[in-house]
Amino acid sequence: GAGVSQSPSNKVTEKGKDVELRCDPISGHTALYWYRQSLGQGLEFLIYFQGNSAPDKSGLPSDRFSAERTGGSVSTLTIQRTQQEDSAVYLCASSRGQGSGSGNTIYFGEGSWLTVV
Amino acid sequence: KNEVEQSPQNLTAQEGEFITINCSYSVGISALHWLQQHPGGGIVSLFMLSSGKKKHGRLIATINIQEKHSSLHITASHPRDSAVYICAVNPGNLIFGKGTKLSVKP
Repeated sequence: GAGVSQSPSNKVTEKGKDVELRCDPISGHTALYWYRQSLGQGLEFLIYFQGNSAPDKSGLPSDRFSAERTGGSVSTLTIQRTQQEDSAVYLCASSRGQGSGSGNTIYFGEGSWLTVV
Repeated sequence: KNEVEQSPQNLTAQEGEFITINCSYSVGISALHWLQQHPGGGIVSLFMLSSGKKKHGRLIATINIQEKHSSLHITASHPRDSAVYICAVNPGNLIFGKGTKLSVKP
């Protein structure tokens, strides 16, 4: 597809279950970001992948959260033993690189809305 | 102290007014982004800049690297401009401001 694709678009899960959220970045984009946004709140950084470098995991809120990026393309965000406070929209974004060149515009997916009941 | 500070947090304007949203940051950056988020909608990149000024339609973004400050201006505002405007800086990962909620009344 032409844009950043995320799945599922909506997920309702029971407290304590594990969930996986998927992000397909735009082809050729080396930078991939995961964020989350709770209702009425700002964007919270989770993790950042840049090419083959070690990911910046400094935003992951607990060890229940992990993310992988396979083959420099698709990324999966996994939340283990979900809690109600994990309910949020999880947003993925990608860009060709860094810097202010026009090719490095950041594109966001539509998000995965997670509700933990 | 937040690394990215936006002001104002909320802004209500009458249609046609000139609007300014400010962003200050405290880290070294390679780029600064202005993003727009509509209620229930996705996030769209408006500008990405590291120096000077960019213009797109009624939107203008400026940045002063020495002062670590950027402004987003909207000329001749319209109700359809109502959205949350977010400043984000790019020192590697993206660090976001808390956003400015703009409401333009007809």
